[in-house]
Amino acid sequence: AQKITQTQPGMFVQEKEAVTLDCTYDTSDQSYGLFWYKQPSSGEMIFLIYQGSYDEQNATEGRYSLNFQKARKSANLVISASQLGDSAMYFCAMREDPGGSQGNLIFGKGTKLSVKP
Amino acid sequence: DAGVIQSPRHEVTEMGQEVTLRCKPISGHDYLFWYRQTMMRGLELLIYFNNNVPIDDSGMPEDRFSAKMPNASFSTLKIQPSEPRDSAVYFCASRPPDRDSYEQYFGPGTRLTVT
Repeated sequence: AQKITQTQPGMFVQEKEAVTLDCTYDTSDQSYGLFWYKQPSSGEMIFLIYQGSYDEQNATEGRYSLNFQKARKSANLVISASQLGDSAMYFCAMREDPGGSQGNLIFGKGTKLSVKP
Repeated sequence: DAGVIQSPRHEVTEMGQEVTLRCKPISGHDYLFWYRQTMMRGLELLIYFNNNVPIDDSGMPEDRFSAKMPNASFSTLKIQPSEPRDSAVYFCASRPPDRDSYEQYFGPGTRLTVT
């Protein structure tokens, strides 16, 4: 079974509008972390935002926020006021902490976001 | 501060040749990870080191792949002999100690093409 599922291979959004990228995860651990990374066409992987499993508040970083619904095991990324530069691949990732963390990340397949002018 | 440095950025080689990819992690980071990214398989962890010691190499495809970290500031990933199916982007990432989030900082990647 996939640990991280991103069901949207591609998404379009109009510039200045908000967009939600879906991510569901599968783990039996109580302690874990969820991450979103951005990969523009230039290829580098850019860390965007992090949510710990014990964090009660949804994480926010500028125009990025993570809609964390623990019972549903979802960690959707919300980008507000989309910009042309947001066009990229977006990867959801999970860190499991089985009895002592090593920090390994498991990545989803990614969602390609295209922002239309 | 400089980020994770990888070299070369692009490598084109013929099947059967030895390929060596290099990585310099961010100073002070004690974890180093090697990933491979392909269209078919996405981003896969190959191996990671903690304090220069290999911790988990279960992602290394086969004996043709080997990785070393002789000191805290340098790591290599070697493929010998290379095959066309090894064509991919190889990322190195590092992580600082004692951080709750354990976020990883990625290098720019090496695009390997084996003909």
